[in-house]
Amino acid sequence: NAGVTQTPKFQVLKTGQSMTLQCAQDMNHNSMYWYRQDPGMGLRLIYYSASEGTTDKGEVPNGYNVSRLNKREFSLRLESAAPSQTSVYFCASSGYGRAYGYTFGSGTRLTVV
Amino acid sequence: GQQVMQIPQYQHVQEGEDFTTYCNSSTTLSNIQWYKQRPGGHPVFLIQLVKSGEVKKQKRLTFQFGEAKKNSSLHITATQTTDVGTYFCAGNTDKLIFGTGTRLQVFP
Repeated sequence: NAGVTQTPKFQVLKTGQSMTLQCAQDMNHNSMYWYRQDPGMGLRLIYYSASEGTTDKGEVPNGYNVSRLNKREFSLRLESAAPSQTSVYFCASSGYGRAYGYTFGSGTRLTVV
Repeated sequence: GQQVMQIPQYQHVQEGEDFTTYCNSSTTLSNIQWYKQRPGGHPVFLIQLVKSGEVKKQKRLTFQFGEAKKNSSLHITATQTTDVGTYFCAGNTDKLIFGTGTRLQVFP
């Protein structure tokens, strides 16, 4: 049982490049989330998907897009990367929305130069 | 908007000492969750508190939820080096908002 799997683990982008962060969960969870973590800022919600077919903005959605491809997969896309998007990105899932604990993936460390 | 603040930001303790981190929300919460993140790792869910005044224990860890459901605390008794990491609270209203975390360092 892998839980939440994120790829890639590390990535370096040049300013203006695009990329997609992949996330998949095998726990049959309905809800999935993307967070970014910056030093001293805690975890900030970028986008979330309460259920398959729906997506909503979180606290810091600008510069990002998401796709809930199916119940298992939730991807995060940076269309034109900026240095301010250098961060560690975590995907998470939960079985019944916010009422239960989240299971996090191991993270993607992204550097934009 | 909703804010969740945690204090202290850092805490260094000698192994065997106690440790407490406090979490305060600007709004009343439906529940609060606690997570632990080891250095270089990802957040791991510890516990959820739902009821006003609720107290839960996990071995040496004691979690409390305030009567007004706007604050919470995590207390670790007799810290061990395995307790090292950052502890986050996360407050739930219409969204789950994470606090800024308290980084615990334990010296042997």
